[in-house]
Amino acid sequence: QVQLQQWGAGLLKPSETLSLTCAVYGGSFSGYYWSWIRQPPGKGLEWIGEINHSGSTNYNPSLKSRVTISVDTSKNQFSLKLSSVTAADTAVYYCARGHIVVVTAIQMVNYYFDYWGQGTLVTVSS
Amino acid sequence: SSELTQDPAVSVALGQTVRITCQGDSLRSYYASWYQQKPGQAPVLVIYGKNNRPSGIPDRFSGSSSGNTASLTITGAQAEDEADYYCNSRDSSGNRHVVFGGGTKLTVL
Repeated sequence: QVQLQQWGAGLLKPSETLSLTCAVYGGSFSGYYWSWIRQPPGKGLEWIGEINHSGSTNYNPSLKSRVTISVDTSKNQFSLKLSSVTAADTAVYYCARGHIVVVTAIQMVNYYFDYWGQGTLVTVSS
Repeated sequence: SSELTQDPAVSVALGQTVRITCQGDSLRSYYASWYQQKPGQAPVLVIYGKNNRPSGIPDRFSGSSSGNTASLTITGAQAEDEADYYCNSRDSSGNRHVVFGGGTKLTVL
């Protein structure tokens, strides 16, 4: 059974750097896209970015200038850093496993998040 | 286009059938995946691919798609189905960005 367990600081001051780590237990670490997703209080889900086991990253353009996602394959962990946080970055942050399957015969692609971390509430306040 | 559009709220009488829709150009190339989220909990995958349910998801949940529209159908809605539902895919324009719909709040009456 795959489990994602995440941790990191829950209270930050404006201008500080948010730092979260997600550990993956069970299953393979390679062959998937490992994402960070956030949800401001009372709002919808926002994808932050992803990384694969070889370290290739892909970021939400709206956050790209402040985001770094890294991977430590020796520990089956990946991490998020978000710099220069403001109150607008207050949210529950989730890590998740992205699974992509190409259905060649009909030129369609399956993409889905099948496992999620428990979520970490990060509050930015002076 | 990188947007997925969902109705903000939908209601259904207990035991009846409800359809939640998601529209976006990316759905012509990517199947939508659907997530159920209850208050204070992480999202849970309920439908992925053409119409696949992860283990443990009741068979009253089903998915379909046509053109740029994907649908999640709950046949015989139960009180415990009251939740927020999000669709998701990747942007099909080549940048591989991930997109979520704005979410649909389902109320079971």
